[in-house]
Amino acid sequence: DIQVTQSPSAMSASVGDRVTITCRASQDIGNSLAWFQQKPGKVPRRLIHTSYNLQGGVPSRFSGSGSGTEFTLTINGLQPEDFTTYYCLQHNSYPWKFGQGTKVEVK
Amino acid sequence: QLMETGGGVVQPGRSLRLSCSASGFTLSDYVIQWFRQAPGKGLEWVAAISIDGSRKYYADSAKGRFTVSRDNFANTVALQLTSLRPADTAVYYCVRDPGYVGVDWLDIWGQGTLVSVSS
Repeated sequence: DIQVTQSPSAMSASVGDRVTITCRASQDIGNSLAWFQQKPGKVPRRLIHTSYNLQGGVPSRFSGSGSGTEFTLTINGLQPEDFTTYYCLQHNSYPWKFGQGTKVEVK
Repeated sequence: QLMETGGGVVQPGRSLRLSCSASGFTLSDYVIQWFRQAPGKGLEWVAAISIDGSRKYYADSAKGRFTVSRDNFANTVALQLTSLRPADTAVYYCVRDPGYVGVDWLDIWGQGTLVSVSS
């Protein structure tokens, strides 16, 4: 099975900051990585699929990159509504695996 | 939208059957993924069923205890949970997947149904 390691588990940032979250897969998954945002008490929302493709309606300050085993979610110019939790998901092969999550908190 | 039903409080070792239904689109056009999230914890993929129901996939935590099925005539998907453990306590979500990664891939989630396993 493919394992996914997401880091950091939590981070402190300020409005306007550039934030980077990383996911590493235990083996090559090509571009088969997605990013989700989840606000407290809400259903997860897909931000990015296939490593870098932005879902419609997602602000352009969000971007994804990477392939193979290392992937990055970047938020350029953090906004107040971005302080929440983010997850990556490898969907290259079953069983799919989520990263452990990254909570972005206000510094 | 998608809607899950069937959650509730159950004793360890007992069973529950979750159902997933759709409105506004045809469920039988989609692979259905099941995810769960334990209270205060991260997301976990649980199971998937192909459009025709011939292929089923399970997380290690679900193998041998959970069974996913679908009835395309009734436009429903079910997740049968057996031999439940306290660690299965979570909100369970069904999510649509067109079978390829595109605009509507994992875009619609149900609101979730809470399964609580406790003696």
